[in-house]
Amino acid sequence: QKEVEQNSGPLSVPEGAIASLNCTYSDRGSQSFFWYRQYSGKSPELIMFIYSNGDKEDGRFTAQLNKASQYVSLLIRDSQPSDSATYLCAVKSDGSSNTGKLIFGQGTTLQVKP
Amino acid sequence: DVKVTQSSRYLVKRTGEKVFLECVQDMDHENMFWYRQDPGLGLRLIYFSYDVKMKEKGDIPEGYSVSREKKERFSLILESASTNQTSMYLCASPPASSSTDTQYFGPGTRLTVL
Repeated sequence: QKEVEQNSGPLSVPEGAIASLNCTYSDRGSQSFFWYRQYSGKSPELIMFIYSNGDKEDGRFTAQLNKASQYVSLLIRDSQPSDSATYLCAVKSDGSSNTGKLIFGQGTTLQVKP
Repeated sequence: DVKVTQSSRYLVKRTGEKVFLECVQDMDHENMFWYRQDPGLGLRLIYFSYDVKMKEKGDIPEGYSVSREKKERFSLILESASTNQTSMYLCASPPASSSTDTQYFGPGTRLTVL
C-alpha cells in the first residue's frame, strides 16, 4: 500500500524561528508533492507544490524534494503565531495523473509560540 | 477563482437515518472526491468520481454510496447513519491531466450522528 508518513507532532517553535516539517513517501513512482495548511475546524488549503528535486521558495515557505531519499519537507522561515496549524503532505503518483488522486499524510501540528 | 461548496457546514442526524451530503464545483472538473477526516487518522478517501455516473471506491467505502448525475454535483449518501460515521466530511475537486494540479477543498461538513 502506498503510504505517506508525517510526524504528528505537535512541533513547537518560538516566534521568528524556522519550522521544519518532514514527510516521507513509499511509492517511487510519485511525481508531484503538495503541502496543505489546515486551521482548526477549517478545510485544507494549498500552500506549496513541488515536482522537481531541489528547493522551491515562495515567500517565507520553502519546499524541498529529494526523490532518491523519498523525502519532502516544508520550511517556514520567521514563523508567526498565525502559522499555527496542521500541515498536510500529499503525494500524487504517476498512475493517478488522470484521476487527480492524492495520498495524504496524517499531518503535523505546528505551534508557534509568541 | 475556484469554488467548491458543500450543502451544510454542520449536520446532526439520528442513528438509522439516511443522510445526503452534497458537493458542487463550478470549475467544470471531471474528478470529484469525498473524504472523511478524524483526529489521528488523517484524511481518508471514501469514494471518487472521474466522470458523470462513474465512481470508484476509495479506502473506506463501507456504509457509504455516492451519486454523480451531473458533472458539477457529487453526492455522498449514508444509507443508514451510525454513530461511528460522526466525522468531518470534505469534498474536493482537482483539475485532471496535469501533474502539478492539485485538489481544491470545500469548507467541510461536520456530521454528528446521535
